[in-house]
Amino acid sequence: KAGVTQTPRYLIKTRGQQVTLSCSPISGHRSVSWYQQTPGQGLQFLFEYFSETQRNKGNFPGRFSGRQFSNSRSEMNVSTLELGDSALYLCASSFSPSGSGETQYFGPGTRLLVL
Amino acid sequence: EDQVTQSPEALRLQEGESSSLNCSYTVSGLRGLFWYRQDPGKGPEFLFTLYSAGEEKEKERLKATLTKKESFLHITAPKPEDSATYLCAADGGGSYSGGGADGLTFGKGTHLIIQP
Repeated sequence: KAGVTQTPRYLIKTRGQQVTLSCSPISGHRSVSWYQQTPGQGLQFLFEYFSETQRNKGNFPGRFSGRQFSNSRSEMNVSTLELGDSALYLCASSFSPSGSGETQYFGPGTRLLVL
Repeated sequence: EDQVTQSPEALRLQEGESSSLNCSYTVSGLRGLFWYRQDPGKGPEFLFTLYSAGEEKEKERLKATLTKKESFLHITAPKPEDSATYLCAADGGGSYSGGGADGLTFGKGTHLIIQP
C-alpha cells in the first residue's frame, strides 16, 4: 500500500512570492492534515480537511490556506512569503478526522526555503 | 489549551544501555497518544498508538506505556540505528468532544543518539 506522497520535495522561493504544495493521502483515507515543522517551534498544526471541508485551522495567518479535492488529494498555498515561512511542511492522512483517535500517517514533507 | 512536553530534549546512550523517554500531556479529553520516530530530513514514522491508562505496546526494542498524565517510551538494549528524534503527540478530541484543539498536539521531541 503506497504511503502519503508530497510534491515537490524541495522549493526555493523569494519573499513576496506564493507557493503551492501538494499531498496525496494513503488510498482510502479521507482526512488530510497539514503541519509546519521548524527547529524552534517543532510541529505545529496548520489545518485539516475531511471530505473536502476544512474542519479547523491552527494559529496561522490568513496567508496560509488549503483545499481538498474529491479524490482526497490536498493542496496548501502560502501567499506573500516571508523569511519565517522557511520550514518543513508535512502532510498526514488518516481514515477518520482528528478527534477520533485515528492514527495519522505522515508524508516525507516539502522543504521550503524563502530567501 | 492542550500541551505536550517531552523530556529530556536530548539523550546520548552507549549501545546496549537501556533508558526511557518521557511525554507529559495535558489535554481536555485524550482520544489517543501517539509516538513517532523522525530521521533527519524525513517525515515522522508511526510507532505506537495508546488509548487508555495502563495500556502497553511493544515493537522490537521499543515499548510504550501510558498513564493518565504521562507516556513513556522504553528503549531496551538500543543499537546505533535507533538514533533518531522521537516525537510524542496527543489527540485531544477536538470537535468530537466539544473542546480542545483539532489536529495533533506535538511535543518538541527527544533527540536520541546511540553510540557504538
